[in-house]
Amino acid sequence: DIVMTQSPDSLAVSLGERATINCKSGQSVLSSYNNNNYLAWYQQRPGQPPKLLIYWASTRESGVSDRFSGSGSGTHFTLTISSLQAEDVAVYHCQQYYTTPITFGQGTRLEIK
Amino acid sequence: EVQLVESGGGLVKPGGSLRLSCAASGFTFSNAWMTWVRQAPGKGLEWVGRIKSKRDGGTTDYAAPVKGRFTISRDDSKATLYLQMNSLKTEDTAVYYCTRGGPEGTYFDYWGQGTLVTVSS
Repeated sequence: DIVMTQSPDSLAVSLGERATINCKSGQSVLSSYNNNNYLAWYQQRPGQPPKLLIYWASTRESGVSDRFSGSGSGTHFTLTISSLQAEDVAVYHCQQYYTTPITFGQGTRLEIK
Repeated sequence: EVQLVESGGGLVKPGGSLRLSCAASGFTFSNAWMTWVRQAPGKGLEWVGRIKSKRDGGTTDYAAPVKGRFTISRDDSKATLYLQMNSLKTEDTAVYYCTRGGPEGTYFDYWGQGTLVTVSS
């Protein structure tokens, strides 16, 4: 199984500041066939199901604020929120879909400082 | 508008069975790879298993902790996904989400609200 490890486990950032969440996979999720990274990011607000933010490591889902961006390749990935807003308080999950079993990181809790 | 609505959760004793349903609308269900994901109270997300579209073979894959106990099926005529859960254990207690897979079942672009399954004596 591909183990996904996020850091930090929790993060407190001031409104308007940048938040950065990291995700490391136990093996590369970069496909040599199509040069895509099989990595997604989800936002889960309290009491809500997860919501897709980013797929293919850096493609923003339709309707998602451009304050959210994804980067990285191979085994190291980053989710960046450029200017934190109150509605961004949530748990963020990374996920690899390179192979089954599909696996998720443990989640990163983002709060307002 | 895409909608996924789960039902069938509840309280069940260890060793018991339960069947979850997920009613889909707003997209061509028969073309979609569908997945169940669960989340134990206060924990992270765990992939349970998936079923491919019939045009892609209709086969299923399962996570190791549920293989042999859980069965995923679909009724394309009713646009409904199912999760049959047998020999339930206390560690199966979780909110179960129905999700739609992106192209070839990659990322999960739509999620239901979830249904809570509690396994307790």
